[in-house]
Amino acid sequence: KDQVFQPSTVASSEGAVVEIFCNHSVSNAYNFFWYLHFPGCAPRLLVKGSKPSQQGRYNMTYERFSSSLLILQVREADAAVYYCACLGGSQGNLIFGKGTKLSVKP
Amino acid sequence: DTAVSQTPKYLVTQMGNDKSIKCEQNLGHDTMYWYKQDSKKFLKIMFSYNNKELIINETVPNRFSPKSPDKAHLNLHINSLELGDSAVYFCASSQDIGTSGNTIYFGEGSWLTVV
Repeated sequence: KDQVFQPSTVASSEGAVVEIFCNHSVSNAYNFFWYLHFPGCAPRLLVKGSKPSQQGRYNMTYERFSSSLLILQVREADAAVYYCACLGGSQGNLIFGKGTKLSVKP
Repeated sequence: DTAVSQTPKYLVTQMGNDKSIKCEQNLGHDTMYWYKQDSKKFLKIMFSYNNKELIINETVPNRFSPKSPDKAHLNLHINSLELGDSAVYFCASSQDIGTSGNTIYFGEGSWLTVV
């Protein structure tokens, strides 16, 4: 079954490096997408690709079936839900995980 | 200007009613989507339209009928609403479909509560 797995919660402290892990069982999926979602707002793409990549404070690691989102120098304002997604499956959909809620202590 | 806009943002309605959620994108994209985020927090694709044609129709009750009058609009009409339809519905768009280089842009979501 085409699924994406990620932890439901991650806790951190300000200034730390946060890692959110994701793995999948999606057929024909070679790309990961990481979205940031503040409730009430539109989910926003942070970083994507089929190789390690970086966008500002956001780093993405890449393995064939897993990826981690690394948030550098995490801040309280980064507290949100982070979705991992893979492009694949029988119809080439973007398949999302359940999201990881990040909490950040001051 | 909001790239993908959907209305209404909040909707509370009674079981059995028929309601619509409208979506518009001003990005010039060819593909539009509807996603449902249920109580378990999964973002699941419901429909995908490419140039006004239905491409993906996941296992969704036929009470849900998308309508695309032009490629910038994809409205979601729901008949005979049920309690289980309560969810957040996200509209989205991308330049193309199924292409790894695509970025999917989301609207802010429409909170539907059926009472």
